[in-house]
Amino acid sequence: KNEVEQSPQNLTAQEGEFITINCSYSVGISALHWLQQHPGGGIVSLFMLSSGKKKHGRLIATINIQEKHSSLHITASHPRDSAVYICAVRLRGNEKLTFGTGTRLTIIP
Amino acid sequence: EAGVAQSPRYKIIEKRQSVAFWCNPISGHATLYWYQQILGQGPKLLIQFQNNGVVDDSQLPKDRFSAERLKGVDSTLKIQPAKLEDSAVYLCASSSPRVGNEQFFGPGTRLTVL
Repeated sequence: KNEVEQSPQNLTAQEGEFITINCSYSVGISALHWLQQHPGGGIVSLFMLSSGKKKHGRLIATINIQEKHSSLHITASHPRDSAVYICAVRLRGNEKLTFGTGTRLTIIP
Repeated sequence: EAGVAQSPRYKIIEKRQSVAFWCNPISGHATLYWYQQILGQGPKLLIQFQNNGVVDDSQLPKDRFSAERLKGVDSTLKIQPAKLEDSAVYLCASSSPRVGNEQFFGPGTRLTVL
């Protein structure tokens, strides 16, 4: 069993829909990252959070430390949001990141 | 502030050939990471440098992979000889305590081994 599990693996939605991607982890962490990866391969960091909730534009990330769960929400989704979204956790005590396998999001116009 | 730079962006080689990738981290970032990301999987850490010293290379296939960061700034990752299963995106990232140790990623190098 992976230490970081994401769901769903693939998600296709219509433009404008509200999107939720989930991440569960089984280890003690100091921080959780949400990353976005476009087909070219480069990774962009969206959020780093260790508690509560963060918002940036149409993106919202929440984390529940007790339940070891985080969600990434996209409001008013747009085709340019189509990408792979990766959850990664920083293990407590070191800076190493453990990655989920990603959620491939496709937004249809 | 410039981001993490990597080159080349794409490389196609035949098996048993050699290849090298270059990474220039964000200025002032002491920690540099090389990751391998096989299609459909999350990135896997190959090696982590702190300045010019290796912190973790436990998952680096040392029989064919090598990496160096001689002056504690830019880094090269080499594969010699390449195998088909080395086809992947190779990502470089850097971090600094000044930014909460958040890792900033480069655009990656997509390697195809034929």
